[in-house]
Amino acid sequence: DIVMTQSPDSLAMSLGERATINCKSSQSVLYSSNNENYLAWYRQKPGQPPKLLIYSASTRESGVPARFSGSGSGTDFTLTISSLQAEDVAVYYCQQYYSTPYTFGQGTKLEIK
Amino acid sequence: DVQLVQSGEEVKKPGESLKISCEASGYRFTSYWIAWVRQMPGKGLEWMGSIYPGDSDTRYSPSFQGQVTISADKSINTVYLQWSSLKAADTAMYYCARHEGTMRWFDPWGQGTLVTVSS
Repeated sequence: DIVMTQSPDSLAMSLGERATINCKSSQSVLYSSNNENYLAWYRQKPGQPPKLLIYSASTRESGVPARFSGSGSGTDFTLTISSLQAEDVAVYYCQQYYSTPYTFGQGTKLEIK
Repeated sequence: DVQLVQSGEEVKKPGESLKISCEASGYRFTSYWIAWVRQMPGKGLEWMGSIYPGDSDTRYSPSFQGQVTISADKSINTVYLQWSSLKAADTAMYYCARHEGTMRWFDPWGQGTLVTVSS
C-alpha cells in the first residue's frame, strides 16, 4: 500500500496569512506514460463531506477559489492557501489514486489564530 | 447537476445486518465508478472499495475484503454497502463518492450515512 503522510497535523494561522500543507507518499504517484501525478486534495468542513479542491496535483477543480494551489511531483506535494479566509477552517486531506487501495493522508486541521 | 444522495442514519445492535444506499442522478450511472469511504469518529478517510455499475466489476481494499459487500442496481441508479453481522467497530460515517476511472479522483461525494452499532 502507498502510505500518505501529511505535515503538520494541525496549523493555526491568522486571517490573510499564507498556509502551507505538505503531503509525502511512500512511493511515486507520477504515472510515467502521461507525466501526470495521481494526487488529489480535499477539504472537509465540520459536519460536511469532503470536497475536491485539486486533482492531478496542481489542477484546481472548477469553482474552487484561486487562493488554493497545488504543487509537487513524484512523492512530495504541497497545498497552499495564499490568503487565509475564515471559511477555510477545515481538515485538509491528500489522496493518491495511483493504485489500489486508494489511500489518504491522516489530515491536517487548519484553524484561525 | 451530478448528485449522490445517501440513505438516512442507522442505529443497530451488534450482530444485526444492514444495507445502506447511495442513489446517483445527473449523469450516466453505468459509466462511472462509485466508491465507499469510511470515517470513524474523529478520524480520517479510508477507502473501502469501489464498484463499476456498468458490469458490476468490484474492487475491495484488503482491509475490508470479506467484511462488507458492495453491489449496484442499474434499474434504480443505486449502489449499496452491506454488512451481514455488524460490530461496534463498524460505528462510523460512511460516504459514497464518484470516480471516472480506476485512476481518478473522487468527486462528488454523498452527504454521508452515520451508522451507530451499540448494544
